[in-house]
Amino acid sequence: GAVVSQHPSRVICKSGTSVKIECRSLDFQATTMFWYRQFPKKSLMLMATSNEGSKATYEQGVEKDKFLINHASLTLSTLTVTSAHPEDSSFYICSARIMGQGANEQYFGPGTRLTVT
Amino acid sequence: QKEVEQNSGPLSVPEGAIASLNCTYSDRGSQSFFWYRQYSGKSPELIMSIYSNGDKEDGRFTAQLNKASQYVSLLIRDSQPSDSATYLCAVTSGGSYIPTFGRGTSLIVHP
Repeated sequence: GAVVSQHPSRVICKSGTSVKIECRSLDFQATTMFWYRQFPKKSLMLMATSNEGSKATYEQGVEKDKFLINHASLTLSTLTVTSAHPEDSSFYICSARIMGQGANEQYFGPGTRLTVT
Repeated sequence: QKEVEQNSGPLSVPEGAIASLNCTYSDRGSQSFFWYRQYSGKSPELIMSIYSNGDKEDGRFTAQLNKASQYVSLLIRDSQPSDSATYLCAVTSGGSYIPTFGRGTSLIVHP
């Protein structure tokens, strides 16, 4: 159990275009999903926390108008990188917290590798 | 500022040995502790969670928590080359479910 999927796994786009990444919890309902970014050989950086039906909470320094997050249902959150630039190239990973459990375990999706040319 | 500290390594151990990974945290009110394994180019995978003082064993993995000393460790018995990865320690505290991650320790198990 506790499987999280992401789509696409890899995407290459041109500078100035927008890219949407989907994160789905496949076998559980997730009240909260998280979006992380990781540069090569660097640690995970939390970008934002999204709760179903409400606005995402962004970490300091993360532009909410550039990284649009929509948590439309208990099993789906999307991250849209708008007007992408080469410096946005990174490994984007979502995670989900299981609804109703007191524990704070997070389960990560497989990640999306974004390359902006 | 909540901090979670890990030695970046690499920690190199021979196959079959016990690998010991350590993590310290700054917030004495921390309540939940997690170990994740991350292979190169892949996303983190939850391998252990621990919430109370003492040891918790799961297969070849043992998590040890000492809240008085504010450290949590992960022991990997009978280390295998396939255990070579970066191990991330994560801690939540103060009623928050958002974890603070350490920078990870790179483990290399050589044949």
